[in-house]
Amino acid sequence: SQQGEEDPQALSIQEGENATMNCSYKTSINNLQWYRQNSGRGLVHLILIRSNEREKHSGRLRVTLDTSKKSSSLLITASRAADTASYFCATDARGGSQGNLIFGKGTKLSVKP
Amino acid sequence: EADIYQTPRYLVIGTGKKITLECSQTMGHDKMYWYQQDPGMELHLIHYSYGVNSTEKGDLSSESTVSRIRTEHFPLTLESARPSHTSQYLCASSDLSAGGFDEQFFGPGTRLTVL
Repeated sequence: SQQGEEDPQALSIQEGENATMNCSYKTSINNLQWYRQNSGRGLVHLILIRSNEREKHSGRLRVTLDTSKKSSSLLITASRAADTASYFCATDARGGSQGNLIFGKGTKLSVKP
Repeated sequence: EADIYQTPRYLVIGTGKKITLECSQTMGHDKMYWYQQDPGMELHLIHYSYGVNSTEKGDLSSESTVSRIRTEHFPLTLESARPSHTSQYLCASSDLSAGGFDEQFFGPGTRLTVL
């Protein structure tokens, strides 16, 4: 069964607006990661948040983690056209995944100039 | 920019051909992965390796095979390609000494089309 599921599947905003993407998962985790994928390219790691952390910042990115609800959110502030990409959350299932990650289907973000 | 490379970037071949997708990394990472991704969809792990002479099957069953003779090299082979193998194949690596739960570094991918 799929570990991570992003919501919404697609998001279209204007440059300068904030973009919020959500991820829900099913089992206990060690950490949750967010990745970005430009069309036709590989994934780039954005940020990792451990199960004992609640919030983390990196530049214009803010990630929250609520282990009681098994959910995470990624906020991109003051979005730019260059932020247009697909964003994936990835989790490792505690005790069962051999350190492998399970990726969700992603949120496709379109930032219009 | 991650130091992980995949060749070819694009490949169009006929049914029944044998192909090898190359993946190399210069970061000295022990753990390497192969994922299959259809357009707009999630990544599915098809193979991984903990180091030299280690290969494991992933969550998604695949007719491909892999080998790990050198730390930096993790090629994927399809003995007889079929149209159902058409997809994007992504190679990744991670530092096992970081506990195995650290970030993964991805190559640019190989987009395979089997006619």
